[in-house]
This record gives sequence, C-alpha cells and structure tokens, in this order.
Amino acid sequence: GQNIDQPTEMTATEGAIVQINCTYQTSGFNGLFWYQQHAGEAPTFLSYNVLDGLEEKGRFSSFLSRSKGYSYLLLKELQMKDSASYLCAVRGPSNTGKLIFGQGTTLQVKP
Amino acid sequence: DADVTQTPRNRITKTGKRIMLECSQTKGHDRMYWYRQDPGLGLRLIYYSFDVKDINKGEISDGYSVSRQAQAKFSLSLESAIPNQTALYFCATSAEMSHNEQFFGPGTRLTVL
Repeated sequence: GQNIDQPTEMTATEGAIVQINCTYQTSGFNGLFWYQQHAGEAPTFLSYNVLDGLEEKGRFSSFLSRSKGYSYLLLKELQMKDSASYLCAVRGPSNTGKLIFGQGTTLQVKP
Repeated sequence: DADVTQTPRNRITKTGKRIMLECSQTKGHDRMYWYRQDPGLGLRLIYYSFDVKDINKGEISDGYSVSRQAQAKFSLSLESAIPNQTALYFCATSAEMSHNEQFFGPGTRLTVL
C-alpha cells in the first residue's frame, strides 16, 4: 500500500527554526517533493530530493533518508508569511510523474 | 500572466447537474493532472494525461471523466454531480523529465448542493 504521514498541525515563533517531518511507505520511490500551500491558494514547489542527504535553498532545507522512508523540511528564521500548509509528496517508480501526497502540515507562525 | 489557469474559479451547482471544469496552460508541458483536495485528506489524483488523447485513471476516478483535445487544455467533467464531490479542484502540469515539479493552477472551488 501507499502511505505518507505528516503531523497535522505545528506552531512556531517568528525568528525560530521548525522541522516538519514526513514518513512514507510506498511501493516504489522516484523522488520526494515538498510544496507550500497558503490557505485557498495553489501549492507551490519548494524542494526535491531523490538521493539521501540535505538540499539547502535559502531559509529552507530538505533532508531525505531512503532507507528509513523519512524526510524533513527545515525552515529557518521563520517569518509570519511562512504560515501555510506544507505538503510532502512521493513520486512512485513508474515514469508517469504521478505524485502521492500526504495530508499536509499546517504551520502557524506566532509573533 | 498565469501559466496554468482554471475556469471557473468558483461554482455552486445542484445534485444531478453536469459540470465541466477547464484547465489551460502556456508552459508547453505534455503532462497534465487533475486533483481534488478535501480537508484532512490532502491532494488526491483523479486523472492524468501524457499527451493529446492520452487518458489515465488516478486513485479516485469514479464519477469523473476528462478530455484532452489539445496539448494546452485538459477538462474535467462531472456527469451527474453529487454532494460528496464538493471540494477544491486543482489542475497541474509537468514536463517529461522525472525530476521536474508539477505546476498547479489556482484551483476551482466546487459546491454541490
């Protein structure tokens, strides 16, 4: 079966660091994506990992461990505008581009 | 100008009505997707298409149909709408390379009464 788990909600303080975890069990693996989605808006791409390790992009970093079926998204120097849902998505083994999404983690950044 | 557009943005309809949601893209991508999003359930794939006339079912295709008559357009139809099809619908596109991300349209909020 296919299963992707993320915490439903998280709260953090402006200026702090927050880590959003994602665990997955899928019948194949061909990359993991993180998307950001503000309320009522479209998801927008944040990061892509296909090999183990850390990918850094400005204030955002994403980590992948394929052997553990685990990824995290790290947000540094939190800003109020980072309040949004963060979606973890796994691409399966076939060359279809299909993504399986987790339910998303809603992050609230407080002053 | 938006690269992926959806029409309508909002629609309220009644049970049993036929509804069509349209998606257009100017990105030149071959691959297009339709998702629905429900609170607590995340995004779920309805149908996807690799090219014109190519149609593939996703995980929740029952009650829906799609049409891909041109590379830039992918339409989703609900032949006889029912209340549990009330949801936020997103169209997405991607290029063929496996590492390429999907680009999402702004969404259509559909309410079936």
